[in-house]
Amino acid sequence: DQQVKQNSPSLSVQEGRISILNCDYTNSMFDYFLWYKKYPAEGPTFLISISSIKDKNEDGRFTVFLNKSAKHLSLHIVPSQPGDSAVYFCAAEIRAQKLVFGQGTRLTINP
Amino acid sequence: NAGVMQNPRHLVRRRGQEARLRCSPMKGHSHVYWYRQLPEEGLKFMVYLQKENIIDESGMPKERFSAEFPKEGPSILRIQQVVRGDSAAYFCASSPDRGLGSPLHFGNGTRLTVT
Repeated sequence: DQQVKQNSPSLSVQEGRISILNCDYTNSMFDYFLWYKKYPAEGPTFLISISSIKDKNEDGRFTVFLNKSAKHLSLHIVPSQPGDSAVYFCAAEIRAQKLVFGQGTRLTINP
Repeated sequence: NAGVMQNPRHLVRRRGQEARLRCSPMKGHSHVYWYRQLPEEGLKFMVYLQKENIIDESGMPKERFSAEFPKEGPSILRIQQVVRGDSAAYFCASSPDRGLGSPLHFGNGTRLTVT
């Protein structure tokens, strides 16, 4: 039962352009959504989060949008930089307990 | 301030042996989580512990797997009689509290290979 889905396994973007990573979920009880970034041989690092009562949160080059009616969220990175090349995981949380992760999207930024 | 420390980084075990994975949370963090990542998949929740208590073990296989977080010392994830399907990266995460949206801090994982 995959409650959080990232349907694009990979994404390639030109340096300086916008990267848009998508995530869909099925459980309307999720309270919070978080994005993590992961480099090879390292653990995930937290990027940005959004409460289920908001529709947008921005932090520097990173913006997360939440569309509750569509059960969809997206992470926008602009402008994209070579150091952004990594695997990005969407995660959702219920009642401040465990996180449910998507399968991840591998983002490659081309110079 | 050291991050979440996991050891060993790599662990090779033969089928039937035991694997012990250790996790020292960040200083001041009393909440510990274990996640498993199979190749080309996302992280799957296994267990959530606070000091000396298991809060949620709904992601733990019913047999061979156990976890503890004693009053003193690191959290331990123990896998008895390992099988090839246990080969994966095991990540530990910690947090100081469990407020809504409080991000978890992850270690760099232990990569278990069962031969």
